[in-house]
Amino acid sequence: EVQLLQSRAEVKKPGESLKISCKGSGYRFIGYWIGWVRQKPGQGLEWVGIIYPGDSDTKYGPSFEGQVTISADNSISTTYLQWTSLEASDTAMYYCVRQGVGSGWPFDSWGQGTVVTVSS
Amino acid sequence: SALTQPASVSGSPGQSITISCTGTSSDIGGFEFVSWYQQHPDMAPKLITYDVTKRPSGVSNRFSGSKSGNTASLTISGLQAEDEADYYCSSYTRNNTLVFGGGTKLTVL
Repeated sequence: EVQLLQSRAEVKKPGESLKISCKGSGYRFIGYWIGWVRQKPGQGLEWVGIIYPGDSDTKYGPSFEGQVTISADNSISTTYLQWTSLEASDTAMYYCVRQGVGSGWPFDSWGQGTVVTVSS
Repeated sequence: SALTQPASVSGSPGQSITISCTGTSSDIGGFEFVSWYQQHPDMAPKLITYDVTKRPSGVSNRFSGSKSGNTASLTISGLQAEDEADYYCSSYTRNNTLVFGGGTKLTVL
């Protein structure tokens, strides 16, 4: 069974850095795209970006390019989403997602979500 | 920019409803890579259709996807109370990215 286990909720101040994680299990980690989706409170889904662990090819949504960094550590089947300087507008639920069968990145597996709260 | 979905739709049990998702020739119109997701309150979204018309294993055949030009659609037949949820479309884009729709709240009357 495919599982995506995300790190715990975080409370940070504006300007602080943060790295959240997602550990994949139950499948061959390097063989599937894995990425992140943001959902602000009461709002819709936004595609943050995605990485292919097999060759580290990474894509970002237009709103997130240069704002976050996605990486992966294949030795522990874990992907990361990182900020160097958080803003209040980064407050949201962040879901880890895995590409399923099919093309165009359909996400058949979702993590439980990591709540990130940025407040002074 | 985000794909365009109606903010809300409603239907009675047993009826069929259709949710539209409008994009451009750079996303929906250019590829056969549209997916739909269902999200119940305080839950992670669930994939219900992909590659426009395909359904993952275990998803009811009451859910069906289609596409015409730059508009994709999700039809739910035999509406049930448990179908009440938010629904999101997504599409691959020519910029090698992914875009979601704004979401549609389905109310079962």
